[in-house]
Amino acid sequence: DAGITQSPRHKVTETGTPVTLRCHQTENHRYMYWYRQDPGHGLRLIHYSYGVKDTDKGEVSDGYSVSRSKTEDFLLTLESATSSQTSVYFCAISSPDRVFYNEQFFGPGTRLTVL
Amino acid sequence: GIQVEQSPPDLILQEGANSTLRCNFSDSVNNLQWFHQNPWGQLINLFYIPSGTKQNGRLSATTVATERYSLLYISSSQTTDSGVYFCAVDNNAGNMLTFGGGTRLMVKP
Repeated sequence: DAGITQSPRHKVTETGTPVTLRCHQTENHRYMYWYRQDPGHGLRLIHYSYGVKDTDKGEVSDGYSVSRSKTEDFLLTLESATSSQTSVYFCAISSPDRVFYNEQFFGPGTRLTVL
Repeated sequence: GIQVEQSPPDLILQEGANSTLRCNFSDSVNNLQWFHQNPWGQLINLFYIPSGTKQNGRLSATTVATERYSLLYISSSQTTDSGVYFCAVDNNAGNMLTFGGGTRLMVKP
């Protein structure tokens, strides 16, 4: 295992409520990512971080915000959840500035259902 | 952005059979990874292979970067090989992976 945990692992919430998902790593990797996986779309990047307080948007960032106040934690927030955000969310880590080490490792995923 | 296509989309094998999964991509890449998503949803790293050939037990992979494709070989398949196999690539400094649609493999006993 690459030392990545996600919490919660499962969550059911109602439309319009705020939701925060947490990704925690023990590997001291600089880069962290949030992806979502939906049937027929594979995995798509939501946001990523390239250092503490340094974040950028991915392919499907609308409706999501992120924060990274320390190396080991990357938070994904849905300010007002919608049914279209029902998905499985994966966190990933990598250290692309390590020589010959550009590989991404994924957490166990969080299954989110928005009713 | 870069396009990633995997084939076949579905594959059914008898235990012990061999198979080849293909991943085509539309641009040069600096990262290519193969993953196995098991029936419990976990994404397992198989290979990090932007070019060349690697082997790990019954699995091997080859990427021909100049021709923009990668192959994953599974030999003597087992029921535990069932699941979805994803190819993912990155072609820019942001190291953002673009995933293919996956190959769903079922190995029957």
